[in-house]
Amino acid sequence: QITLKESGPTLVKPTQTLTLTCTFSGFSLSTSGVGVGWIRQPPGKALEWLALIYWDDDKRYSPSLKSRLTITKDTSKNQVVLTMTNMDPVDTATYYCAHSGTAAAGLYYFDYWGQGTLVTVSS
Amino acid sequence: SYELTQPPSVSVSPGQTARITCSGDALPKQYAYWYQQKPGQAPVLVIYKDSERPSGIPERFSGSSSGTTVTLTISGVQAEDEADYYCQSADSSGFWVFGGGTKLTVL
Repeated sequence: QITLKESGPTLVKPTQTLTLTCTFSGFSLSTSGVGVGWIRQPPGKALEWLALIYWDDDKRYSPSLKSRLTITKDTSKNQVVLTMTNMDPVDTATYYCAHSGTAAAGLYYFDYWGQGTLVTVSS
Repeated sequence: SYELTQPPSVSVSPGQTARITCSGDALPKQYAYWYQQKPGQAPVLVIYKDSERPSGIPERFSGSSSGTTVTLTISGVQAEDEADYYCQSADSSGFWVFGGGTKLTVL
């Protein structure tokens, strides 16, 4: 059974750096074709893809946010960490991590999602 | 950057057919995927690879593709299908993208 859970601060101040951790179980991020991504959703707005890291440490970032994002993995801990610098109130959103298991087959979708964590940016 | 365009809203009566479109220049070359999201919940995959249905998804959900447009069709809409629906794809460089979402209202 695949599960993912996001953790991190619920409140950050403007200009601070946000660090979110995705802790997962039921799969290994060293298995070929597997990836873990981050997606966010501001209140009442659409989903926005942020970043994704693959089993081979290949990383992809949203072009519009690339300069602010860093994604890393710790295979031994079954964790993926996303950092976002220079936080702004517009970054207030629910942040989700999600599993993708089919990249090796050329299929790029998320089949398992975490419950999400709401991050508020405010002074 | 790559974009996917969806109508903001679609309304249908129970038992009717709902069609939600998603347009993008790369869709002739890249598969599309559809997610259903109900309030306060994480998205759930309902269609992958344009038209395939994951196990556990009702048969009334189907997908199709034609040129730069993909369509999610929900036949015999039920009240429980009221939700936001998002299409998603990836471009040739491996950048993923979501559409702006469509709110399905069951009248």
